[in-house]
Amino acid sequence: EVQLLESGGGLVQTGGSLRLSCAASGFTFSNYVMTWVRQAPGKGLEWVAAISGNGGNTYHADSVKGRFTISRDNSKNTLYLQMNSLRAEDTAVYYCARDVKGSDWYFDLWGRGTLVTVSS
Amino acid sequence: VLTQSPAILSLSPGERATLSCRASQSVGNYLAWYQQKPGQAPRLLIYDASNRATGIPARFSGSGSGTDFTLTINSLQPEDFAVYYCQQRGNWLTFGGGTRVEIK
Repeated sequence: EVQLLESGGGLVQTGGSLRLSCAASGFTFSNYVMTWVRQAPGKGLEWVAAISGNGGNTYHADSVKGRFTISRDNSKNTLYLQMNSLRAEDTAVYYCARDVKGSDWYFDLWGRGTLVTVSS
Repeated sequence: VLTQSPAILSLSPGERATLSCRASQSVGNYLAWYQQKPGQAPRLLIYDASNRATGIPARFSGSGSGTDFTLTINSLQPEDFAVYYCQQRGNWLTFGGGTRVEIK
């Protein structure tokens, strides 16, 4: 079955760190740009970061640049998001998603999301 | 910046929904539309302004280019009441603020 499954969310203190994982199955993971998108409670969607299929190119939103790092391990079919120096405004459901055709930067396969709560 | 209007659209089943997404600068035709229901992940409906994604019913259509885009849903079905987001990939990647389509 083609699917994405996020894990690693939870409650963390302000200034702390978390690493999110996204396990992919059912497709050739290395052929696709992957992305993280977040959604604060009751709010809209916010793009966080993206990574090319071979991992050689990464892109981060200004709001997380310098604090978050996207990476992937194609041998494990897994996408990661390392989140450091967490702030209250990072509280959100974090979704991983797959590019629709490989590198079109539209996303047709999404995980169910993992909730990150940052609290003092 | 992508600005969606209206914020809320109240319609009855069977009616036509017209949703707008305006970009602050041209994004060519690099625009997508997503549907999101409560507690669910977004679902890709339209990409490159007018191409329906796999499995999307023909009642969903997209149009526009440059800065002005429209998502049209013909004959609203009960399952279409949801929040809709536009997303551009012409200048980095951003989402609009969303339009909620609710039952009148």
